[in-house]
Amino acid sequence: GAGVSQSPSNKVTEKGKDVELRCDPISGHTALYWYRQSLGQGLEFLIYFQGNSAPDKSGLPSDRFSAERTGGSVSTLTIQRTQQEDSAVYLCASSLAGGDRNIQYFGAGTRLSVL
Amino acid sequence: DAKTTQPPSMDCAEGRAANLPCNHSTISGNEYVYWYRQIHSQGPQYIIHGLKNNETNEMASLIITEDRKSSTLILPHATLRDTAVYYCIVRVASGNTGKLIFGQGTTLQVKP
Repeated sequence: GAGVSQSPSNKVTEKGKDVELRCDPISGHTALYWYRQSLGQGLEFLIYFQGNSAPDKSGLPSDRFSAERTGGSVSTLTIQRTQQEDSAVYLCASSLAGGDRNIQYFGAGTRLSVL
Repeated sequence: DAKTTQPPSMDCAEGRAANLPCNHSTISGNEYVYWYRQIHSQGPQYIIHGLKNNETNEMASLIITEDRKSSTLILPHATLRDTAVYYCIVRVASGNTGKLIFGQGTTLQVKP
């Protein structure tokens, strides 16, 4: 079956512009996660959705970052007034449910470059 | 969260077994050990996970010590396509979101 799909695969934007990154999880997966991987850094958690609710937003680095999920499926990560330090690969993962017993499946990521 | 310690890099000859160690001395009794890998320019890929018993699947074997303070991921016949960063992750048990906390991992280089 189809895996986690992310779009666009690459995004180049100018400093100060807003960007939207999209994630289509595996059908039937209720849990959705966003992670970020900066150059030379490890993967860091951003936000977790269970259905359309986000019970854990603890990883969002600033109020310029927000995310939503509609219909328990597609999620959008929005970065407002982008800064150069926002340049990174943004990864989305989904699993059947939240918690520590469910395998997370990752998309290929969106590479964001802020000029 | 329980922390893990992995060597930063390892080499392995193609066709030989790759044994990747991980220390997790502060693991709690109900916390699982998960292994993921990330091939260059791809998203992380799930490999295997376990609690107490050794596990095997089509990709790898996971050996967990009796005291659960360390584990070893075994790729029985490494190929060039197994070159990747391998992450050992201890997942916090119930009452949490299931988010993955990645360390720096081990960069495995499989050489011809």
